[in-house]
Amino acid sequence: AQKITQTQPGMFVQEKEAVTLDCTYDTSDPSYGLFWYKQPSSGEMIFLIYQGSYDQQNATEGRYSLNFQKARKSANLVISASQLGDSAMYFCAMREGDTDKLIFGTGTRLQVFP
Amino acid sequence: GAVVSQHPSRVICKSGTSVKIECRSLDFQATTMFWYRQFPKQSLMLMATSNEGSKATYEQGVEKDKFLINHASLTLSTLTVTSAHPEDSSFYICSARLGVTLGSPLHFGNGTRLTVT
Repeated sequence: AQKITQTQPGMFVQEKEAVTLDCTYDTSDPSYGLFWYKQPSSGEMIFLIYQGSYDQQNATEGRYSLNFQKARKSANLVISASQLGDSAMYFCAMREGDTDKLIFGTGTRLQVFP
Repeated sequence: GAVVSQHPSRVICKSGTSVKIECRSLDFQATTMFWYRQFPKQSLMLMATSNEGSKATYEQGVEKDKFLINHASLTLSTLTVTSAHPEDSSFYICSARLGVTLGSPLHFGNGTRLTVT
């Protein structure tokens, strides 16, 4: 069965520092995709970054990068130069095969302090 | 800016009434949309896949007669919670893919917080 695991319920980071949010996944499908979303207290889900299973290079989007280690089945999110506005819940999600259905992890609450 | 619009953002209704939630794709067509549910301090769980012009596909354990989904056009899907009860109180959120490739981002609406009294 496909599964996403986020083992860090909460993380703290000081402003301007980098932080890594962990995500591991399990699937037997050779084709899959991995997403990270940010959910502020207002509730909306904000797309951050995507990594396809066949992508050779790690995805990057501004201050966000995805550390994709296929053999270890991990897709950690790295946020560089943290900002106070980065404080939110972060969800890792996996696309099932060639569908758009997402399986979500339990999330990590990130708090950035001055 | 937002690519998926959801309305209303909040709704309070009395037990036994029905509530309709709209999900619209802005400036793009979405033949498929997805409805998720999120309980407080929990993750998102897929409820159903909304298919334009055909019946929705429900995940195991989701009552199709309770959660009616209609995808009448390429830009609009609606979720109707029928005969709502307090246990239906939750955060409902829809998503759609912007772009034609599987690697295109899946965008979410802003969600609807339903409270049934």
